[in-house]
Amino acid sequence: NAGVTQTPKFRILKIGQSMTLQCTQDMNHNYMYWYRQDPGMGLKLIYYSVGAGITDKGEVPNGYNVSRSTTEDFPLRLELAAPSQTSVYFCASSPGRGDGPFFGQGTRLTVV
Amino acid sequence: GQNIDQPTEMTATEGAIVQINCTYQTSGFNGLFWYQQHAGEAPTFLSYNVLDGLEEKGRFSSFLSRSKGYSYLLLKELQMKDSASYLCAVRDKTGANNLFFGTGTRLTVIP
Repeated sequence: NAGVTQTPKFRILKIGQSMTLQCTQDMNHNYMYWYRQDPGMGLKLIYYSVGAGITDKGEVPNGYNVSRSTTEDFPLRLELAAPSQTSVYFCASSPGRGDGPFFGQGTRLTVV
Repeated sequence: GQNIDQPTEMTATEGAIVQINCTYQTSGFNGLFWYQQHAGEAPTFLSYNVLDGLEEKGRFSSFLSRSKGYSYLLLKELQMKDSASYLCAVRDKTGANNLFFGTGTRLTVIP
């Protein structure tokens, strides 16, 4: 199993541009999450999903959108990128109880 | 809401034992998690406690007291590769069982 795979690993965006961060998992987990991590701050939950077709906002959803058309994939969309969205983004998945969530390797995004 | 506190930094000597504390306040406690994160890498799951007591996994152990809102991660026989940040997180069932993270404790192991 590859676990949780994120692409791209690094990206530089200009202010106002849009992009999609891809996330896929092969563990058949129902729960998937997007977190962002800023220096000196804890991981903050952006959006989460409890299954295909179901998504909901986390702590810091503004400026982002998600979709969950399949169990495996949970892309994060940034519209009109702003410097405040410069961060490291982590996707994670979980079976919903017990161990986990398990994290992907992260996407380091810089908005200039 | 959730409030999670852990020390910002700790230093310990190779071969020694170190205890990293975490206190929390949450309205719907449903488990406490510890993660290890090396610089520039993803968090790696270490342990999960939902009942009071000690869970041991090799050199790492995690303790939970729900009545005190307190947990610790115990690392034995420290190795240089244990230098990393250790993240405490609580699962809150009032928040769709999502995890809420503390800011992490950066552990430096010195020779």
